[in-house]
Amino acid sequence: QKEVEQDPGPLSVPEGAIVSLNCTYSNSAFQYFMWYRQYSRKGPELLMYTYSSGNKEDGRFTAQVDKSSKYISLFIRDSQPSDSATYLCASMDSNYQLIWGAGTKLIIKP
Amino acid sequence: NAGVTQTPKFRILKIGQSMTLQCTQDMNHNYMYWYRQDPGMGLKLIYYSVGAGITDKGEVPNGYNVSRSTTEDFPLRLELAAPSQTSVYFCASRTGASGMLGRYEQYFGPGTRLTVT
Repeated sequence: QKEVEQDPGPLSVPEGAIVSLNCTYSNSAFQYFMWYRQYSRKGPELLMYTYSSGNKEDGRFTAQVDKSSKYISLFIRDSQPSDSATYLCASMDSNYQLIWGAGTKLIIKP
Repeated sequence: NAGVTQTPKFRILKIGQSMTLQCTQDMNHNYMYWYRQDPGMGLKLIYYSVGAGITDKGEVPNGYNVSRSTTEDFPLRLELAAPSQTSVYFCASRTGASGMLGRYEQYFGPGTRLTVT
């Protein structure tokens, strides 16, 4: 079992829809969680990070962590074609290394 | 700031050849990382460094070597290239300075696409 599981998609939704991207993790010691966005043929860039459980909002983006179910979510409201990218979730282990999900390819159709 | 720069952008190697992937950061970051990214597999850590002169293996170090003689540079060496090393390679860095918000944020370079045939 991978430590961080993520459906690679692709996930295709119409413009304006609410998008839900999800990951699960297996190590209950993980405390720090990140979402990175990666455009085609570019390096990943940090979108949001959260510590422990709860929600964090930044504009149209909301990151959510449920430690009881070991579930990480990213919600995108009013999705735009410019949101089309691969979204990678990551959890930090006890050595401060990031353990990465496979990434979900998101396509927003105009 | 240029951030993290990587050269070359693309390279085709023949089996058994060697090459060095260059990585430079101008943010005075202590921590630097090399990852490889294969389709549908996420990022796998090859090597990392916590400061000049200090390097350590990641999850998939076999077939690679690194050095860190300066804070800015972290080259990755491939010896005796094999088709299994066909991948996209990313270099990343982070500050690690205590007390700083976002000290765990890794900044990535644009990547090097390597094909071994």
